[in-house]
Amino acid sequence: ETGVTQTPRHLVMGMTNKKSLKCEQHLGHNAMYWYKQSAKKPLELMFVYSLEERVENNSVPSRFSPECPNSSHLFLHLHTLQPEDSALYLCASSQSTRGTDTQYFGPGTRLTVL
Amino acid sequence: AQSVSQHNHHVILSEAASLELGCNYSYGGTVNLFWYVQYPGQHLQLLLKYFSGDPLVKGIKGFEAEFIKSKFSFNLRKPSVQWSDTAEYFCAVREGSGGGADGLTFGKGTHLIIQP
Repeated sequence: ETGVTQTPRHLVMGMTNKKSLKCEQHLGHNAMYWYKQSAKKPLELMFVYSLEERVENNSVPSRFSPECPNSSHLFLHLHTLQPEDSALYLCASSQSTRGTDTQYFGPGTRLTVL
Repeated sequence: AQSVSQHNHHVILSEAASLELGCNYSYGGTVNLFWYVQYPGQHLQLLLKYFSGDPLVKGIKGFEAEFIKSKFSFNLRKPSVQWSDTAEYFCAVREGSGGGADGLTFGKGTHLIIQP
């Protein structure tokens, strides 16, 4: 299934680097999400966008900066990350932000911070 | 804040055995409940969901789940598992009050291994 794609699939970066994660959805959805999946912890919601406007910032450090230029694309800009930020970053989309809407997930970007 | 508990972190079964994975949540209001599965090397996929109506919901691949409001539970079941059911299973909750700007709250997941 290629409804939600993410690039790159793997990323290794130093703490002083700046990089960006990209997500694209081909489902015509109006809501997009970033989640973080760390080892031995549940998936954690980071950001929610609805119609390109951020509606939720779940107390995420400012070294993570999201951008949603249109309803099909979502970016996560990374700068001065810490080793504990190493995780799988998942993007998801849904038709809207209604509680009943199914979220469709991308394959994730495996990030390693050295 | 909501929380979701999945009691079994690792489950090993033989083919044709029956499966039940537990899920409990903490939110007392209206909820929407989901089970997602992640097969090895693949992305998260929806197995089934409940938001209203018949509390016994059927999903793909022979899975079903029962919502028991009094127990705050949404356990996943399958009467006879197959080797191809080996995967990570995640229970998730979302408030049903509308807006839903808080996204999904996930449990830690259950790693299911089916032995041939």
